[in-house]
Amino acid sequence: NAGVTQTPKFQVLKTGQSMTLQCAQDMNHEYMSWYRQDPGMGLRLIHYSVGAGITDQGEVPNGYNVSRSTTEDFPLRLLLAAPSQTSVYFCASTPGVGSNSPLHFGNGTRLTVT
Amino acid sequence: SQELEQSPQSLIVQEGKNLTINCTSSKTLYGLYWYKQKYGEGLIFLMMLQKGGEEKSHEKITAKLDEKKQQSSLHITASQPSHAGIYLCGADRGNTPLVFGKGTRLSVIA
Repeated sequence: NAGVTQTPKFQVLKTGQSMTLQCAQDMNHEYMSWYRQDPGMGLRLIHYSVGAGITDQGEVPNGYNVSRSTTEDFPLRLLLAAPSQTSVYFCASTPGVGSNSPLHFGNGTRLTVT
Repeated sequence: SQELEQSPQSLIVQEGKNLTINCTSSKTLYGLYWYKQKYGEGLIFLMMLQKGGEEKSHEKITAKLDEKKQQSSLHITASQPSHAGIYLCGADRGNTPLVFGKGTRLSVIA
């Protein structure tokens, strides 16, 4: 099993550009989520999904869109990139919220917006 | 999240020394997860604690959840350079996404 796969690993964008961060898991997990990690701020939840077709906002959703058309994939879209979105992004999955199973994390995408 | 406070924020210890990292919640926990992150990499699951008073160990790392389920401690015995990294605690509040502390950065020097 590959687990949680994130692509790309690194990305540089200019302000105003758009891009999609990809996340795929092969563990048939219902729950998937996106976090961003900034120095001194820890991990902050952006969006999450409890199953295909269902998404919800986390702590810092502004500037990001998500969709969940399949169980396996949970892409994160930046429509108009801003320097404040420079961060390391982590995708994570688990069988379900409250399932007493740990989150499985991808290796992250390091995004720089200039 | 301010709901979950970790202390200390950073720690430098000499190889072979013991250390403790604390994670305090402002609300009752259904469970508490500990993760380790090596610099520039993803998060690795260490341990999960659910019951008040529960204690788990893996190699030289021991984690405890206090009786009132609002604080957890992570203790490393005889630290090694391989223990260096960022340790994060994550709070399970039931059917809601995990909330994480800001992390503790551990450096182990020879």
